[in-house]
Amino acid sequence: GDSVTQMEGPVTLSEEAFLTINCTYTATGYPSLFWYVQYPGEGLQLLLKATKADDKGSNKGFEATYRKETTSFHLEKGSVQVSDSAVYFCALSFPNRDDKIIFGKGTRLHILP
Amino acid sequence: EPEVTQTPSHQVTQMGQEVILRCVPISNHLYFYWYRQILGQKVEFLVSFYNNEISEKSEIFDDQFSVERPDGSNFTLKIRSTKLEDSAMYFCASSEVTGGSEAFFGQGTRLTVV
Repeated sequence: GDSVTQMEGPVTLSEEAFLTINCTYTATGYPSLFWYVQYPGEGLQLLLKATKADDKGSNKGFEATYRKETTSFHLEKGSVQVSDSAVYFCALSFPNRDDKIIFGKGTRLHILP
Repeated sequence: EPEVTQTPSHQVTQMGQEVILRCVPISNHLYFYWYRQILGQKVEFLVSFYNNEISEKSEIFDDQFSVERPDGSNFTLKIRSTKLEDSAMYFCASSEVTGGSEAFFGQGTRLTVV
């Protein structure tokens, strides 16, 4: 079945470090891909998305590129800040097929000052 | 900025009791969803709701679960007789359009069944 696998956390980095959170997916068909973020005490927020192969989603300095050949959607940021500390969820959906979003387990990110 | 709000933020209940988790979706949204995340596991889709009826549900959403939109603003998830394995974070979401991908999520209700 369709699924998302992302790297286990927690990930701990120092401020201004480079961030990569790996995400791969298994899907029948051509999903849209997403990264959601959950800051402490808040709900899940859509961070960025890509709807087709080679698209790059970007927001708040984060980027992820839809790689069909490697079925990946890795999240990157060049210089993280303490305020980026949160849980990050990779996800997919088929907007023209059904209603649900399929999430990964989430990766907790700690940024040290 | 409009947001989805959920109450309570944390609910503790005894096994076998009924619980109702409440959500106020964004006011002009038409599609509503419940997801849950058991600790350390994936966020899982439970159910979607549109036009006062369930449009899709997962295999998790068995007869113990029900959803309702009792008035113009609330969207509730009821668990009829809670089990220990129902302990999880429950997220409500709403969207203007179908497909779920543009959904806005609430902050979650942590349900602990003891």
